[in-house]
Amino acid sequence: EAGVTQSPTHLIKTRGQQATLRCSPISGHTSVYWYQQALGLGLQFLLWYDEGEERNRGNFPPRFSGRQFPNYSSELNVNALELEDSALYLCASSSYSGGAAYEQYFGPGTRLTVT
Amino acid sequence: DAKTTQPPSMDCAEGRAANLPCNHSTISGNEYVYWYRQIHSQGPQYIIHGLKNNETNEMASLIITEDRKSSTLILPHATLRDTAVYYCIVRVARGQGAQKLVFGQGTRLTINP
Repeated sequence: EAGVTQSPTHLIKTRGQQATLRCSPISGHTSVYWYQQALGLGLQFLLWYDEGEERNRGNFPPRFSGRQFPNYSSELNVNALELEDSALYLCASSSYSGGAAYEQYFGPGTRLTVT
Repeated sequence: DAKTTQPPSMDCAEGRAANLPCNHSTISGNEYVYWYRQIHSQGPQYIIHGLKNNETNEMASLIITEDRKSSTLILPHATLRDTAVYYCIVRVARGQGAQKLVFGQGTRLTINP
């Protein structure tokens, strides 16, 4: 069974541009999560999507946004890129049923570099 | 903020058992203990989780103290490929907060040949 996939593997952008990162969850998983891992800051929760809706977001500005498609894949968009947005962006997926949380499985990540 | 405390680093000899401790003295009755690990520059990998009973799977064993204020992850026969940062996470099972994994700094485990 295929795991969580992310694309692209690496992305280089300049300050002020927009970045789009993509994630495909494990088959059967309806929830997708996004995390940011910046150097020295650890893994920070960004966004949670389930059944096409944003369910929760972390302490990030509105220029971090995303969406989930009917096939449960997801996009993370980062507008007006700043140098400090350079990080590894990780996507995870899980089942979600009746309000119960299940273990999250992570993809390999997209490394975004802003110059 | 992470609700767990872990030693920043540990070493273990290849082939020996690696025992990684975690303190979670403020854990609530409805919170589970989860363990993940992250090998350099890869996505975190789920290892195991438990509520109050000891758990074992093909990767590891999880020992939770009776008062649930601490736990130990055991890798029974560590290999070089087990070198990674190990994260202990406390997480509720239901509700809005359940969906957010809060990662601390973890323990950097180095397996030595």
